[in-house]
Amino acid sequence: DADVTQTPRNRITKTGKRIMLECSQTKGHDRMYWYRQDPGLGLRLIYYSFDVKDINKGEISDGYSVSRQAQAKFSLSLESAIPNQTALYFCATGRTGELFFGEGSRLTVL
Amino acid sequence: AQSVTQLGSHVSVSEGALVLLRCNYSSSVPPYLFWYVQYPNQGLQLLLKYTSAATLVKGINGFEAEFKKSETSFHLTKPSAHMSDAAEYFCAVGNNQGGKLIFGQGTELSVKP
Repeated sequence: DADVTQTPRNRITKTGKRIMLECSQTKGHDRMYWYRQDPGLGLRLIYYSFDVKDINKGEISDGYSVSRQAQAKFSLSLESAIPNQTALYFCATGRTGELFFGEGSRLTVL
Repeated sequence: AQSVTQLGSHVSVSEGALVLLRCNYSSSVPPYLFWYVQYPNQGLQLLLKYTSAATLVKGINGFEAEFKKSETSFHLTKPSAHMSDAAEYFCAVGNNQGGKLIFGQGTELSVKP
């Protein structure tokens, strides 16, 4: 089994719909992250969490929210999806900078 | 504040040639520096990391990088490219105060036969 599991792997939705991307990890780390990847822009940090009670905004948190349900689970929500949120989303976990990534969730908003 | 700039969004080399991927960083605190690789349809994997020990860092698959503080650089090299090295490479900066990483824009490496 993968250390970091993301669901769904692919999702197509319509503008205005609410979408949740889920992430679970078996590495036992406290810190979890959500990144967004766009061509030519690299990875940009959306939200991160250092433990269950600690949630922090990243560079591009507008339009997104997160929930840390347990040490091993960190979900990302788009309350009302818009087309420019079409991207590849990665969940990661780790400590002292070394991150372990999931395989990504490709989201298309029509 | 920290930032990373990768010079060149696409690099093409011939099989057996030297690979050089450039990364410059900015950091107000001593940096931790990383190179990650992303193969098609996969997540990112750590290639190597610098965390204030030896300035020449060796990673997996024959890659290495040298931390040069005077040049604020952390370029990635491999003496002889292999077809399997074709991927996207990301440089990232962090620090010892937290696990948040800031990534560069990525460099896509193509290897020609």
